[in-house]
Amino acid sequence: GQQVMQIPQYQHVQEGEDFTTYCNSSTTLSNIQWYKQRPGGHPVFLIQLVKSGEVKKQKRLTFQFGEAKKNSSLHITATQTTDVGTYFCAVHGSSNTGKLIFGQGTTLQVKP
Amino acid sequence: SQTIHQWPATLVQPVGSPLSLECTVEGTSNPNLYWYRQAAGRGLQLLFYSVGIGQISSEVPQNLSASRPQDRQFILSSKKLLLSDSGFYLCAWSRLGITGELFFGEGSRLTVL
Repeated sequence: GQQVMQIPQYQHVQEGEDFTTYCNSSTTLSNIQWYKQRPGGHPVFLIQLVKSGEVKKQKRLTFQFGEAKKNSSLHITATQTTDVGTYFCAVHGSSNTGKLIFGQGTTLQVKP
Repeated sequence: SQTIHQWPATLVQPVGSPLSLECTVEGTSNPNLYWYRQAAGRGLQLLFYSVGIGQISSEVPQNLSASRPQDRQFILSSKKLLLSDSGFYLCAWSRLGITGELFFGEGSRLTVL
């Protein structure tokens, strides 16, 4: 079945430093989604990337989809304590059922 | 607007006891419905998903079962809980047939003692 590898598992940064998490797939993806889960909360959708080489920005967050549509990254510029949480990428399974498979997530800790 | 309700929010159950978690969606029709489990500090494991009433796909062989008795109702059950069933259970929905985003419920935190 469809799988996606996400690295790193954990990241501790000083407030103001940048942060990046990466997702990689062995197969070509139709699209990729990113979610954020605050401590104790539930995942919340951030964005979906569909096109090869696509780059989207949300304030300090930059999302990229690789040219081959096999990898993606989320980059946060100048982290703030509000960025704390776990960031997940998610991809659809091979069947057209809307089944969504999540990466293992990257947990971000920000030291003030 | 669409909303998703999931309950109970927390529960502590003894090993061997039954389980029933319920999830309902409002404001949409024919949603895809999902149950995910998240162990402490871990990722999201897809347990079950459903594309319609009575249609359940199981992703992982386990001690749990799911049912969809109504279009917008999804139930996760167990006849006898195991210690390993402890975790954070999340219900989610998405629009049928479209590769769109998932909307998650608040989650149910289960501790099996």
